[in-house]
Amino acid sequence: EAQVTQNPRYLITVTGKKLTVTCSQNMNHEYMSWYRQDPGLGLRQIYYSMNVEVTDKGDVPEGYKVSRKEKRNFPLILESPSPNQTSLYFCASSSAAMNTEAFFGQGTRLTVV
Amino acid sequence: DQQVKQNSPSLSVQEGRISILNCDYTNSMFDYFLWYKKYPAEGPTFLISISSIKDKNEDGRFTVFLNKSAKHLSLHIVPSQPGDSAVYFCAAKRGSNYKLTFGKGTLLTVNP
Repeated sequence: EAQVTQNPRYLITVTGKKLTVTCSQNMNHEYMSWYRQDPGLGLRQIYYSMNVEVTDKGDVPEGYKVSRKEKRNFPLILESPSPNQTSLYFCASSSAAMNTEAFFGQGTRLTVV
Repeated sequence: DQQVKQNSPSLSVQEGRISILNCDYTNSMFDYFLWYKKYPAEGPTFLISISSIKDKNEDGRFTVFLNKSAKHLSLHIVPSQPGDSAVYFCAAKRGSNYKLTFGKGTLLTVNP
């Protein structure tokens, strides 16, 4: 089954404690990205990756890092989380073909206290 | 600057009637548009899309209309069902750029 898997689904952490949210896709997609969803703001892109070792900032990259060492994995790293990073996070992947849709993971609900 | 706008945060319709969700965009370089549906506690799922070379695309109960001159698209759901109750996101992309730009979403409630 084609899917994007995120872990964990829920996470409560304290300010400043480094954390990683993992994302893995089994569709051999080149393009992967991270979004955050906040009330009244919709989905905003954090970082994206065009392929292995190729990453770039999205619209709201501050406070986040990513890496793309393997095609299937695209972890999101919060080196020093702050309460304003409390949000719902989604990982997505899509192929390099034109006019194709992106597939989303189930989401990670992060609370930073 | 918000390039994709969904000006109605919510919409309520009766079961069996038509639901019309609207989306406006400002970037004339966008040439591919998608609608996603999102249930609580789940990720967005792809619903239907349309290329800028078309003005209509239909898939079962779902039809998307594109008016390029007005930079406007709409999603029609006929007939609406209670299971359609969800947040609907409009998204746009341009050319070979993979980035999707999303609207803020519209919460659709279909009442039995």
